[in-house]
Amino acid sequence: DTAVSQTPKYLVTQMGNDKSIKCEQNLGHDTMYWYKQDSKKFLKIMFSYNNKELIINETVPNRFSPKSPDKAHLNLHINSLELGDSAVYFCASSQDAGGHVETQYFGPGTRLLVL
Amino acid sequence: GQNIDQPTEMTATEGAIVQINCTYQTSGFNGLFWYQQHAGEAPTFLSYNVLDGLEEKGRFSSFLSRSKGYSYLLLKELQMKDSASYLCAVKDSNYQLIWGAGTKLIIKP
Repeated sequence: DTAVSQTPKYLVTQMGNDKSIKCEQNLGHDTMYWYKQDSKKFLKIMFSYNNKELIINETVPNRFSPKSPDKAHLNLHINSLELGDSAVYFCASSQDAGGHVETQYFGPGTRLLVL
Repeated sequence: GQNIDQPTEMTATEGAIVQINCTYQTSGFNGLFWYQQHAGEAPTFLSYNVLDGLEEKGRFSSFLSRSKGYSYLLLKELQMKDSASYLCAVKDSNYQLIWGAGTKLIIKP
């Protein structure tokens, strides 16, 4: 059973389009995250959700919007895609132990290419 | 500002030992993680240190010195499958994870 899953694995699209990436975790974790990893392989936190509340929102463009229908899902919607959005997007989850964020488990990543 | 420093790339020989260093400057400290990431794959958890000293887990060990803001990951009996990027990450005072850029380890036969 896959602990953290993402769809799609690959996404190729045109500039200006709107797209969504889905993430689901079956670990029963309280907190989920979205990361962007660019060509230089640097992981940058974008968002995290704890019990359906946004608790981190790094200075990402408002074209990016996270949506969490329930504790097991955190989807990422991107409006008006730009060339610079091309990257690998990782979803992750962790158990919130008394307010302390614990080990994060990552999904397989979504490789987004904007043409 | 918050900063995590790691060497960009290292090369080692199969069967040998390699040490990957990580220095950090963060607002507070609540633990340090090491993750392994193979090319084209997701990061996977390797180790966690919150107290000073050495944590050993099979061929991999991780060391922490909080007073020096320093950690290292030690890999013994290197295998070709150990070729990967190794990411150092620190939990700051807000329990947010601050990531280093990773060290690409190349293993040669």
